[in-house]
Amino acid sequence: AAGVIQSPRHLIKEKRETATLKCYPIPRHDTVYWYQQGPGQDPQFLISFYEKMQSDKGSIPDRFSAQQFSDYHSELNMSSLELGDSALYFCASSSTGSGANVLTFGAGSRLTVL
Amino acid sequence: AQKVTQAQTEISVVEKEDVTLDCVYETRDTTYYLFWYKQPPSGELVFLIRRNSFDEQNEISGRYSWNFQKSTSSFNFTITASQVVDSAVYFCALSEAWAGNQFYFGTGTSLTVIP
Repeated sequence: AAGVIQSPRHLIKEKRETATLKCYPIPRHDTVYWYQQGPGQDPQFLISFYEKMQSDKGSIPDRFSAQQFSDYHSELNMSSLELGDSALYFCASSSTGSGANVLTFGAGSRLTVL
Repeated sequence: AQKVTQAQTEISVVEKEDVTLDCVYETRDTTYYLFWYKQPPSGELVFLIRRNSFDEQNEISGRYSWNFQKSTSSFNFTITASQVVDSAVYFCALSEAWAGNQFYFGTGTSLTVIP
């Protein structure tokens, strides 16, 4: 079965640079979520989209933005990168049809900011 | 305030021992869902189980079992006859229907199974 695809899997950037992460949800899933997991931390919710509209917002810095496109893939854009942005970024998708959402996570994109 | 508490930060057991991972949650919602996810060293988050607030039946899946007790707001996870491959960080999570099903993760329990 198709899973959530994230790219790139690993990314190294310098401070103040910009990074873009991509997520391709499971086909026919209508909701996409972005999470940030710092070293030794639990995943922190950043933002979610339902049917291409932003549905919820968590602790996403103003330097970050995200959108979901017509083909349902989503991109997380991070600008003016800081050392503290080094983390594992997860995308997850779910289908709201069954009441509550089992989030299926991608393998994550590991961002290292030097 | 932390909605999901996993008091055990790290646990080490010897292979073939049983181990229980504790999870205590907090919610005012009457409709909610509880989850366990496994995060092996490779980093991905693997879904293990979902339980809704109206179903207190315990569940067993192979060596895994879950004990849901609304009276104590707990959703504990037991691994029977642990194996080295069970070594991972395990996250308990809560989703509240009124909050648009946003996920709240616990801080995770790191399990090490020693051969």
